[in-house]
Amino acid sequence: KNEVEQSPQNLTAQEGEFITINCSYSVGISALHWLQQHPGGGIVSLFMLSSGKKKHGRLIATINIQEKHSSLHITASHPRDSAVYICARGSNYKLTFGKGTLLTVNP
Amino acid sequence: KAGVTQTPRYLIKTRGQQVTLSCSPISGHRSVSWYQQTPGQGLQFLFEYFSETQRNKGNFPGRFSGRQFSNSRSEMNVSTLELGDSALYLCASSLGDTAYEQYFGPGTRLTVT
Repeated sequence: KNEVEQSPQNLTAQEGEFITINCSYSVGISALHWLQQHPGGGIVSLFMLSSGKKKHGRLIATINIQEKHSSLHITASHPRDSAVYICARGSNYKLTFGKGTLLTVNP
Repeated sequence: KAGVTQTPRYLIKTRGQQVTLSCSPISGHRSVSWYQQTPGQGLQFLFEYFSETQRNKGNFPGRFSGRQFSNSRSEMNVSTLELGDSALYLCASSLGDTAYEQYFGPGTRLTVT
């Protein structure tokens, strides 16, 4: 079993829909990271969480430390949100990554 | 502030050769981490350096090595290249450890033929 499990692996949405990507981890963390990678592109950090909830524009990330679970929400999705979203568990000076969620938002 | 830079961006090598990749972190960042990304295995941790000290190493063979210089620039070296080493190699810098935001470079695409 991977230390970090993401779901779903693939997600197709229509523009304007509300999107949720889930991440579960099996052991403790110093922080939980949400990352975005566009095809052929580099990786951008979206959020780093150790508790509670954070919001940047249309993106919201939450974490429940007791349940070892985090969610990334995108409100009013747009085709430019199409990318791979990766959650990563930070601990012991390294990130351990989920396999990523490929999000496609159609106009 | 300039971002994380990696050189070269693309590299083609043949089996058995060795390769050195370079990463320059954001100014003021003392932690540099290296990751390998492949379609099959996804992103995997290679090693992390802070102030020239390796603090953690991933499950890769000894052919993979790295170092960090006093100016926080880091290099990784892969000796005796194998076809399976073809991957995107990414470095990330931060102020401290994984409790800090990680800033990724654009990566070096290594192809081994």
